[in-house]
Amino acid sequence: GQNIDQPTEMTATEGAIVQINCTYQTSGFNGLFWYQQHAGEAPTFLSYNVLDGLEEKGRFSSFLSRSKGYSYLLLKELQMKDSASYLCAVKEGTYKYIFGTGTRLKVLA
Amino acid sequence: DSGVTQTPKHLITATGQRVTLRCSPRSGDLSVYWYQQSLDQGLQFLIHYYNGEERAKGNILERFSAQQFPDLHSELNLSSLELGDSALYFCASSPDGSNQPQHFGDGTRLSIL
Repeated sequence: GQNIDQPTEMTATEGAIVQINCTYQTSGFNGLFWYQQHAGEAPTFLSYNVLDGLEEKGRFSSFLSRSKGYSYLLLKELQMKDSASYLCAVKEGTYKYIFGTGTRLKVLA
Repeated sequence: DSGVTQTPKHLITATGQRVTLRCSPRSGDLSVYWYQQSLDQGLQFLIHYYNGEERAKGNILERFSAQQFPDLHSELNLSSLELGDSALYFCASSPDGSNQPQHFGDGTRLSIL
C-alpha cells in the first residue's frame, strides 16, 4: 500500500542545522518533492529528487535513496521564518501525488 | 503569488447542502489537482485533470465530483455535506504530467455548521 512517514514535530535553534526525514512505501515511484507550508497558507515548492543523491538549493538540500525508500530535507542556518510545516510528497506514476502528514518545525531564538 | 486563483476564500454552509469551489490554474498550465487538508490528516489527493480529462483519482468520496472546462478552469462540487467535510481545499496546477512542481492556490476554507 501507500505510506509516507515523517516526524510530527521538531524543534531547533536559530542558526542551527536540522534534518527532516521521510520514509515511504509506494508503487510506481516517479519522484519525491518537498514543500513548505506556513500555517493557514498554501504549500510552496522547495525541492525535487527523482534519482539517488543530494540536491542542493541554497540553505536547503534534499537527499533521496530509492532502494531504502528514504529521503531527508536538510535546512542550514535556520532562521525564524523557517518555522513552518514541511511536507514530503511522492509522485506515483504520471499524475498522482501522495503527501505525508508533514513535520511541524519550530525555530527558537 | 503562485498564479493559481481559488474562489471563494471562505465558505460557511450547513449539513446536507451543496457547494462549488472554483480554481483557475496558472497561465499555460494544463494540469489541475484538488486536495483536501484536514487538521488530522494532512494533504489528501482528491482528483487530477489534464487538459479537460480526468487522469487520476485519489480518495475522493462519491458525494464529490469535479470537472475541468475548455478554458482550463476547474470546479470541485461537494454535495450532501457532512460536518467531517470541513477542511481547507487546495487546488494546484502544473504545466503537464512531467515532474515540474505543482503551484498551489491559497485554498478555500469550508466550514460546515
